[in-house]
Amino acid sequence: KNQVEQSPQSLIILEGKNCTLQCNYTVSPFSNLRWYKQDTGRGPVSLTIMTFSENTKSNGRYTATLDADTKQSSLHITASQLSDSASYICVVSAMNRDDKIIFGKGTRLHILP
Amino acid sequence: GAGVSQSPSNKVTEKGKDVELRCDPISGHTALYWYRQSLGQGLEFLIYFQGNSAPDKSGLPSDRFSAERTGGSVSTLTIQRTQQEDSAVYLCASSFLNRGETQYFGPGTRLLVL
Repeated sequence: KNQVEQSPQSLIILEGKNCTLQCNYTVSPFSNLRWYKQDTGRGPVSLTIMTFSENTKSNGRYTATLDADTKQSSLHITASQLSDSASYICVVSAMNRDDKIIFGKGTRLHILP
Repeated sequence: GAGVSQSPSNKVTEKGKDVELRCDPISGHTALYWYRQSLGQGLEFLIYFQGNSAPDKSGLPSDRFSAERTGGSVSTLTIQRTQQEDSAVYLCASSFLNRGETQYFGPGTRLLVL
């Protein structure tokens, strides 16, 4: 069964600190993996996309990693800012006839001043 | 417009009433998606339109839910005989061609069924 599991469910850190969010998936055959950021009251916005051959991708202070062998991805946030408070959603696409996409439930990140 | 727009932003209705939610995708995007997000929960897939292909309705929770996409652009999600458990944020997204691509989300419609 295609699944995407994210951890932790929620996380609280102080402004300026770093953090890492995890995503494990069982989607097969794998096509790509995306991380989205969803601010409260808004729709998700894409942060990064990685295909099978890519193992790291950066977008400013956000760095995503992918280990296609262990089917794990992480999103590392450096020098967190108050505006990073949001839900971070891992989304994995399957490379098959139906092109299914599977959403994780997200990690809720709270940045405290 | 430059992004996906949805209307209304908020909708309060009485149990048993029908509601229609509208989505205007990004111009030129052939793929359109509807999702539901309950408070504090992840995104729940509802329906997917891609060009002229038959829509993927596998996520619709009951026959009270239906959606149309007219002329390959604007889409309407209709919920008949609304129930309190239908209260959620309904998000629409579009992408250029298909599900393998980045989706661009609208701001959502917040539905409250009293």
